Amino acid sequence: EAGVAQSPRYKIIEKRQSVAFWCNPISGHATLYWYQQILGQGPKLLIQFQNNGVVDDSQLPKDRFSAERLKGVDSTLKIQPAKLEDSAVYLCASSANHRQSGELFFGEGSRLTVL
Amino acid sequence: DAKTTQPNSMESNEEEPVHLPCNHSTISGTDYIHWYRQLPSQGPEYVIHGLTSNVNNRMASLAIAEDRKSSTLILHRATLRDAAVYYCILREGAGGGADGLTFGKGTHLIIQP
Repeated sequence: EAGVAQSPRYKIIEKRQSVAFWCNPISGHATLYWYQQILGQGPKLLIQFQNNGVVDDSQLPKDRFSAERLKGVDSTLKIQPAKLEDSAVYLCASSANHRQSGELFFGEGSRLTVL
Repeated sequence: DAKTTQPNSMESNEEEPVHLPCNHSTISGTDYIHWYRQLPSQGPEYVIHGLTSNVNNRMASLAIAEDRKSSTLILHRATLRDAAVYYCILREGAGGGADGLTFGKGTHLIIQP
């Protein structure tokens, strides 16, 4: 079974530029999550989708971050304009089920460096 | 979300058992205890989860205290490949809607050869 695919693996941009990350979840997984992981910290949830609807985006900085999941499969996370503090690894995860039995499967992440 | 407390780091020797503790004194009756681990330069991976009874799988065992205010992840025979950050996470078992995992800083497990 193919895992969660993410691209690009690495991206270096200057502040105020824009960047987009792509995620392809495991086939059939209805729930998709984007996390931000700053060096030395645990991952922080940015947004959760159930199919193509947003379930939770309470921690997404909406003035600069946006995410969409068209057709309930692939998802993109965009940052515009980027700030220095956005340097982090952006992790995508997917899950087939809710809550107690719902194991999350994570991709390898996209590492962003903002100069 | 209810909070968990873990030691920042632990060290163990290869081929010996490892016991990783987690305190969660404010756990609610519907919270499941999940463990994930994150190897260097990889995304987190699921290890095990439980509610009240001890659980075993091919990767590890989970021992849950009778009052559920603490739990211990047990790696029966650590290898160098088990060196990772281990996260103990409470996940609400009731209701629908938002259910994203809330990660703390975890325990950095170091395995000595």
